[in-house]
Amino acid sequence: KQEVTQIPAALSVPEGENLVLNCSFTDSAIYNLQWFRQDPGKGLTSLLLIQSSQREQTSGRLNASLDKSSGRSTLYIAASQPGDSATYLCAVRGRSYGQNFVFGPGTRLSVLP
Amino acid sequence: EAQVTQNPRYLITVTGKKLTVTCSQNMNHEYMSWYRQDPGLGLRQIYYSMNVEVTDKGDVPEGYKVSRKEKRNFPLILESPSPNQTSLYFCASSLSEGRGEKLFFGSGTQLSVL
Repeated sequence: KQEVTQIPAALSVPEGENLVLNCSFTDSAIYNLQWFRQDPGKGLTSLLLIQSSQREQTSGRLNASLDKSSGRSTLYIAASQPGDSATYLCAVRGRSYGQNFVFGPGTRLSVLP
Repeated sequence: EAQVTQNPRYLITVTGKKLTVTCSQNMNHEYMSWYRQDPGLGLRQIYYSMNVEVTDKGDVPEGYKVSRKEKRNFPLILESPSPNQTSLYFCASSLSEGRGEKLFFGSGTQLSVL
């Protein structure tokens, strides 16, 4: 069964720092991996989607990489801002488990002014 | 505006009283899904639908029903809610089967069953 973990569980950084969030998955047979942002009490917003054939995707200050063979993805946030404070979740779409997305538990990020 | 709309946003009910949470998307998406989110357990899939009249169980389907009579709507039905169904519920959709597509989420429904 696919399992997705995220490290760290929580992170607090001063404004302006570059930071990396990690996502690991146990089964490399995936269609894609998505990174989401969730604000407290709100829905999830898709940030980046990486297809299984891709190595990375970029959007503004965000860069996500995928190493399918090792079961890892990273989300790099450059020049962090207080508005980046949220929970970040990764999710994988597996080939082996029907049509389910499997979500990680998330990393709660606080960017301090 | 392209969106997934859930209603209601908040719901308080009592054990055993049937309820329906509605979900509608205006993006002509084929794939729709329901999740519940609980502290310490993360997001878990309840049911999903590949297209009209096609639904299947996710990881935690017990106590829930769904239907997909129209492409845009995917209601979640709790026939006899119990306190362990108190949770934050999300509806999501994607364009096709979802293999290569982004997943779009609704704003969530916070359900409390007393």
